Amino acid sequence: GAGVSQSPSNKVTEKGKDVELRCDPISGHTALYWYRQRLGQGLEFLIYFQGNSAPDKSGLPSDRFSAERTGESVSTLTIQRTQQEDSAVYLCASSTLAGGTGELFFGEGSRLTVL
Amino acid sequence: SQQGEEDPQALSIQEGENATMNCSYKTSINNLQWYRQNSGRGLVHLILIRSNEREKHSGRLRVTLDTSKKSSSLLITASRAADTASYFCATVHLSGTYKYIFGTGTRLKVLA
Repeated sequence: GAGVSQSPSNKVTEKGKDVELRCDPISGHTALYWYRQRLGQGLEFLIYFQGNSAPDKSGLPSDRFSAERTGESVSTLTIQRTQQEDSAVYLCASSTLAGGTGELFFGEGSRLTVL
Repeated sequence: SQQGEEDPQALSIQEGENATMNCSYKTSINNLQWYRQNSGRGLVHLILIRSNEREKHSGRLRVTLDTSKKSSSLLITASRAADTASYFCATVHLSGTYKYIFGTGTRLKVLA
């Protein structure tokens, strides 16, 4: 597609349920990032994928959070046993350049509400 | 923890005025970027300034970088109502993996 695509756009779930968020990066973009943004706050780094290298998972807040990416394609962010504090917009971004030298292209985000 | 801190947190100006927002960071960077976010969803890249650059222009945007003070500023000249948005700086570390660290953002409101 022309841009970064994220789904679902909105997700409402009950506390304790698992959720899976999907990100389709721009074709050919080797770098992919996940961020979390709580209401009125800045962006918290979660995880970074670069090609086939080991991902940087240093931002994942707990072991309930995991993410996968196969090669340079789709990525999924999974949150297990969701808690109310997980409510946020989850943003995915991709970049054509490695090493943090290029601009990030963002998707529109997945808004997660945990009741 | 987030590296960038921005001020002011919120700014309200009249159309036609200039808007200035500042970003401070803690450790040495490769580059600094500014992004804009409308309505709390996707961000759009505005401008990138490298650590060996001091000033950069793009249309009505002017960015400065002072690596000795670890700070940057974004100036929007002749603001328009359509500039109303949140603005974030993002820094890329010199070492380690290349994650972009975002600041806390400045919410700009331009009144028509």
